[in-house]
Amino acid sequence: QVQLQESGPGLVKPSETLSLTCTVSDVSISRFYWSWIRQPPGKGLEWIAYIYYSGSTNYNPSLKSRVTISVDTSKNQFSLKLSSVTAADTAVYYCARDNPTPRGTPASYFDYWGQGTLVTVSS
Amino acid sequence: EIVLTQSPGTLSLSPGERATLSCRASQTVSSSYLAWYQQKPGQAPRLLIYGASSRATGIPDRFSGSGSGTDFTLTISRLEPEDFAVYYCQQYGSSPVYSFGQGTKLEIK
Repeated sequence: QVQLQESGPGLVKPSETLSLTCTVSDVSISRFYWSWIRQPPGKGLEWIAYIYYSGSTNYNPSLKSRVTISVDTSKNQFSLKLSSVTAADTAVYYCARDNPTPRGTPASYFDYWGQGTLVTVSS
Repeated sequence: EIVLTQSPGTLSLSPGERATLSCRASQTVSSSYLAWYQQKPGQAPRLLIYGASSRATGIPDRFSGSGSGTDFTLTISRLEPEDFAVYYCQQYGSSPVYSFGQGTKLEIK
């Protein structure tokens, strides 16, 4: 059974950088698309970015200037960095998987999700 | 940017009833690229439907998806107690490449 587990600080100070890692178990991180998605308390879902195992990336334009996503295939992990955080970045952050199509593009839906980790931005 | 608008915001029904949830897109979405998720409190979303009408692995057949173009529907034929949750639609393709509707809360009447 594929498992994804987010890890990282639960509290980040305003203007600092939020850093999270998703560890993938029971499947190789290679061959799949991996995303970060967040959900502010009581609100809806917002996709942040994806990375393909090859290193190809795509970012939500609304966050692109502050986001970096990276992958470490040797550790079967991928990571998120979000800079210059404010209270508006307080959310549950999820990592999730999308599958590649035969053409190599994302299949377009998330079949496995991590349990999520709450990150609070506060001084 | 494609905006997905879900209606109603809240749907109050009783177990055994039929639920019809709507997702309307501001521009045409390829049917291949429309998915539905269920989210219960404190849990991650769970994939229900992909490609507008294909059930994900392990999803009961009381869940069905339909629609094309800009109008999509998730139907739950006979509500079970465990079906009361928040439901999101999601599209792929237009920048941002993934986006979600604001959700429909299905609550027990």
